[in-house]
Amino acid sequence: SYELTQPPSVSVSPGQTARITCSGDALPKKYASWYQQRPGQAPVLVIFEDTKRPPGIPERFSGSSSGTMATLTISGAQVEDEADYYCSSTDSSGNPLFGGGSKLTVL
Amino acid sequence: EVQLVESGGDLVQPGGSLRLSCAASGFNFSNYWMHWVRQVPGKGLEWVSRINSDGSFRSYADSVKGRFTISRDNAKNTLYLQMNSLRVEDTAVYSCSAAMVTMGGQGSLVTVSS
Repeated sequence: SYELTQPPSVSVSPGQTARITCSGDALPKKYASWYQQRPGQAPVLVIFEDTKRPPGIPERFSGSSSGTMATLTISGAQVEDEADYYCSSTDSSGNPLFGGGSKLTVL
Repeated sequence: EVQLVESGGDLVQPGGSLRLSCAASGFNFSNYWMHWVRQVPGKGLEWVSRINSDGSFRSYADSVKGRFTISRDNAKNTLYLQMNSLRVEDTAVYSCSAAMVTMGGQGSLVTVSS
C-alpha cells in the first residue's frame, strides 16, 4: 500500500530554518498538504497543493515539492511553532492518507 | 466562523456498535465533501472515511471497510459515522473534517474494551 514517510523528529534553535520532509512515490503526480498539531489541539492546515498557504498562516511557513519529496520549510522558527507536523496526500483512489508525523522541537 | 463539534463517543465492548455525529456550522455544509479522521492518543493521524456533498459517493479506509458507514443529513448540517463490529484497535479520538481543510475541535473518544 502507498505510504508517506516523514522523519520522526526535527530540532532547531529559535530563528533557524526548520525543514521537514515527506517522501512518497506518488508525490510527482499528487499534491501534498501539511498540518500542524499542537498538543491537545486539532490539526491546522498550514500548506495545501504543495505550496499554497491558507489565510492566516504566517509567511514563514512555505512548502515545496520535487520528485518524490515534499518539504515544509519554517523560516525563522519560533518557539510557538513547536508541534507535530503531518504531511498528507491522496492515493490512487483519491482517498487521503497521512505521513507518520514529525515532532518539531524549537529550543 | 467554521465550527465542527463531534459527539457520541463512549466505552463499548468488542463487537459492539456506536454512532458518532458531527454538527457543522459557519459554512455551507451541503457544498462540501466531509471526512472522518481518527487518532490514537499519542499517535499519528489516520483517515477513516469520506462522503461527497450530496451523499451519493462514499469511501473507506481498508481498516474499517464493511464495518463503518458514513452518512450525512444536509438539512441538519450533520455528518455521521455508524461503527459496527468494533475492535480494540478502533480505539481512538474521532474527528470530522470539512474538505480536509478544517478539522473538528476536540473530537470524540471511542474506547473499545472488555
